[in-house]
Amino acid sequence: RKEVEQDPGPFNVPEGATVAFNCTYSNSASQSFFWYRQDCRKEPKLLMSVYSSGNEDGRFTAQLNRASQYISLLIRDSKLSDSATYLCVVRSNDYKLSFGAGTTVTVRA
Amino acid sequence: DAGITQSPRYKITETGRQVTLMCHQTWSHSYMFWYRQDLGHGLRLIYYSAAADITDKGEVPDGYVVSRSKTENFPLTLESATRSQTSVYFCASTGDGMSMDEQFFGPGTRLTVL
Repeated sequence: RKEVEQDPGPFNVPEGATVAFNCTYSNSASQSFFWYRQDCRKEPKLLMSVYSSGNEDGRFTAQLNRASQYISLLIRDSKLSDSATYLCVVRSNDYKLSFGAGTTVTVRA
Repeated sequence: DAGITQSPRYKITETGRQVTLMCHQTWSHSYMFWYRQDLGHGLRLIYYSAAADITDKGEVPDGYVVSRSKTENFPLTLESATRSQTSVYFCASTGDGMSMDEQFFGPGTRLTVL
């Protein structure tokens, strides 16, 4: 079983729409959670960390459910520039990260 | 320029040849990582290093060798390339303490083994 599993999508949404997706993780000892963004097989970049109480960064909202071991990301008012692959990432009690395979989002005009 | 760089960016080689992928970072980060990315698998950790002269295996180390004689460099060598090693390779680094939550990635090396 993969340590982090994501729905690969693609999620095709019009500009202005809201899109949400989540991932599940298998290691209950995971300590830190993140969403990374990757454009067209370029290098991944940190989008946001995910905190237990949930957090927002502009149009992006991340939630963590430790009991069910899933993490979600919601994008409001989608922009064309939000088209990318979103990687769900978890860290256990060391410095190594485990990556999901990514969820592809395409925002159309 | 500050940052993390990889070379070459693209490489085509033949089965059985030795290939070395270079990674250089200017932040003096302690930790460095090598990943490979293949469709459907996400990023998989090949090797990592906590400091100069300290390296350890990740999830998929077979067929690869690393070294870390200097903090800023972390080369990855494919001793005898195989077709299954065709992939995109990313190097990453991170700092200590709280800053280790974010890994900074190089631009990647696209390797094709014929």
